[in-house]
Amino acid sequence: DTTVKQNPRYKLARVGKPVNLICSQTMNHDTMYWYQKKPNQAPKLLLFYYDKILNREADTFEKFQSSRPNNSFCSLYIGSAGLEYSAMYLCASSRRDRATEVFFGKGTRLTVV
Amino acid sequence: GDSVTQTEGLVTLTEGLPVMLNCTYQTIYSNPFLFWYVQHLNESPRLLLKSFTDNKRTEHQGFHATLHKSSSSFHLQKSSAQLSDSALYYCALSDKGTQVVGQLTFGRGTRLQVYA
Repeated sequence: DTTVKQNPRYKLARVGKPVNLICSQTMNHDTMYWYQKKPNQAPKLLLFYYDKILNREADTFEKFQSSRPNNSFCSLYIGSAGLEYSAMYLCASSRRDRATEVFFGKGTRLTVV
Repeated sequence: GDSVTQTEGLVTLTEGLPVMLNCTYQTIYSNPFLFWYVQHLNESPRLLLKSFTDNKRTEHQGFHATLHKSSSSFHLQKSSAQLSDSALYYCALSDKGTQVVGQLTFGRGTRLQVYA
């Protein structure tokens, strides 16, 4: 199974409320990534986990949190959603020994109102 | 930082005509990986082509591209468009070598619509 699963596919959140997005894979990939995609913009890397080491991009450092309780799961957490967080969030995974194969999920579309 | 520029917006073609989607990039890294991802409606992006070798043509599923470091380009081509090629195409770059190749800089995407 080469799928990356994301739940839910659509999420509605209120301004100021927390949001938690979930991603899972069963390919034993050591690296998992989160991207944000807004309309008419390029997908933008937010952060990635290599094993249990979290790497966050400098310009989104304070806006997003993440956890990886085990190899298969990774979450993206927004502590207080703002309208600017409305976007598609794509999860992806890869293995360092097969470094050119990156698998993406279908995404979670987050709408903040 | 790195950047990727693609053919803007929507490209419409009649079935059977050739496909050419442009991709140029900027990076200070001398050995970038370049990728084309394709995303069909309601599906996840999936890898279509990849290359890190200068001036070598890479092919997959009827599509081909050649990385030209001299012009910082990695254009996607196909000799004859099919209806099933209708999708969103992303050009992407990695400057992390083979270690963290999912750490990608994407272009905005080009939507290809093929008509009968």
